[in-house]
Amino acid sequence: AQSVTQLGSHVSVSEGALVLLRCNYSSSVPPYLFWYVQYPNQGLQLLLKYTSAATLVKGINGFEAEFKKSETSFHLTKPSAHMSDAAEYFCAVSKRTNDYKLSFGAGTTVTVRA
Amino acid sequence: DAGVTQSPTHLIKTRGQQVTLRCSPKSGHDTVSWYQQALGQGPQFIFQYYEEEERQRGNFPDRFSGHQFPNYSSELNVNALLLGDSALYLCASREYRLNTGELFFGEGSRLTVL
Repeated sequence: AQSVTQLGSHVSVSEGALVLLRCNYSSSVPPYLFWYVQYPNQGLQLLLKYTSAATLVKGINGFEAEFKKSETSFHLTKPSAHMSDAAEYFCAVSKRTNDYKLSFGAGTTVTVRA
Repeated sequence: DAGVTQSPTHLIKTRGQQVTLRCSPKSGHDTVSWYQQALGQGPQFIFQYYEEEERQRGNFPDRFSGHQFPNYSSELNVNALLLGDSALYLCASREYRLNTGELFFGEGSRLTVL
């Protein structure tokens, strides 16, 4: 079975500061890993995905994540936070088969201080 | 290119009633999944439809049922509503043959059960 754990339900950063959101996964098979963002009253938007190519994955809006198999981690970072980054972020994992059921973490809410 | 569209966006029901939610997948997509997102939690997988058949199911009771139509659109039905069914219901679509695991989400239908 696949699962993810997101460390920290809330993260507060200053505008211009580093954003770091932590995600650890558990998977019985090589995983696909994803980060999604959810703005208030909206659905989920894909930020980036790891599907076994480069371990450092670049996504939209300046976000990137690094797949570390030895640490079973897929942490999300952005060097400089912007006010528009305030949202909820979800890490998700699926098996590399054609079922593609996503197992989501509980989410991390990011607030950005001016 | 229209993305995933869901209807209705909001609805209120009372305990014991039945509800039907609708989803039109992104153009070119043939596979639809449904997720339940309770307040403050990550989305939970309900089931996935492909070729008008339920292909995979999460840990949800039989009160939750679905359908996929020949045009790939889908419905989620919930019978005998409970207070705990109050949630945001998200529809996601993808193209079955593409081996990326990425899902495209709609903005959801928010169900409140009183």
